[in-house]
Amino acid sequence: GAGVSQSPRYKVAKRGQDVALRCDPISGHVSLFWYQQALGQGPEFLTYFQNEAQLDKSGLPSDRFFAERPEGSVSTLKIQRTQQEDSAVYLCASSLVRWGSQETQYFGPGTRLLVL
Amino acid sequence: AQTVTQSQPEMSVQEAETVTLSCTYDTSESDYYLFWYKQPPSRQMILVIRQEAYKQQNATENRFSVNFQKAAKSFSLKISDSQLGDAAMYFCACLQGAQKLVFGQGTRLTINP
Repeated sequence: GAGVSQSPRYKVAKRGQDVALRCDPISGHVSLFWYQQALGQGPEFLTYFQNEAQLDKSGLPSDRFFAERPEGSVSTLKIQRTQQEDSAVYLCASSLVRWGSQETQYFGPGTRLLVL
Repeated sequence: AQTVTQSQPEMSVQEAETVTLSCTYDTSESDYYLFWYKQPPSRQMILVIRQEAYKQQNATENRFSVNFQKAAKSFSLKISDSQLGDAAMYFCACLQGAQKLVFGQGTRLTINP
């Protein structure tokens, strides 16, 4: 089926605004991940869901960042009171879960966030 | 803490030639997985190849192969018969039980026609 999709592809926000970034994982993929990629850097882990359960949020940089996946499919990453340092590409990835196996993560195209 | 290091910020190669991208990693786990991802300018991260740490045989996918040296914690990517479409950022990444990928800083590969 279709790959991971993300929307919007580009978002410009004024400092202090709230933003919401959406991720549609590959159908049937149980695990969903969010990563932040600063310009010229490798992606850095933010948070991880298995179905609707958020199992790891250790990478969220502050309490302004919040992620949810209420029905175990689509996920939203919300950033409140955006700051300039939040400017980055936000990548979503999904994977199957199989017992005893680490499955490959498949990435979406990302959302480029620019905070002015 | 898990770390991944790519010491080559940029590499270039002539079309049809072979190039090797370097990666070293550090992990305390015995069971882990290693990946090379390609990110063209459009930003879509694409899996190139993966290696399970418990397998001694080096992974191969068509023109792409790895040299996995577990004791040295080295995981290099060899691209044979380079093509213009291979131009991209290449990221080495390590995955262990926590499910999160840890990425290196990336290597920008340029293919010269």
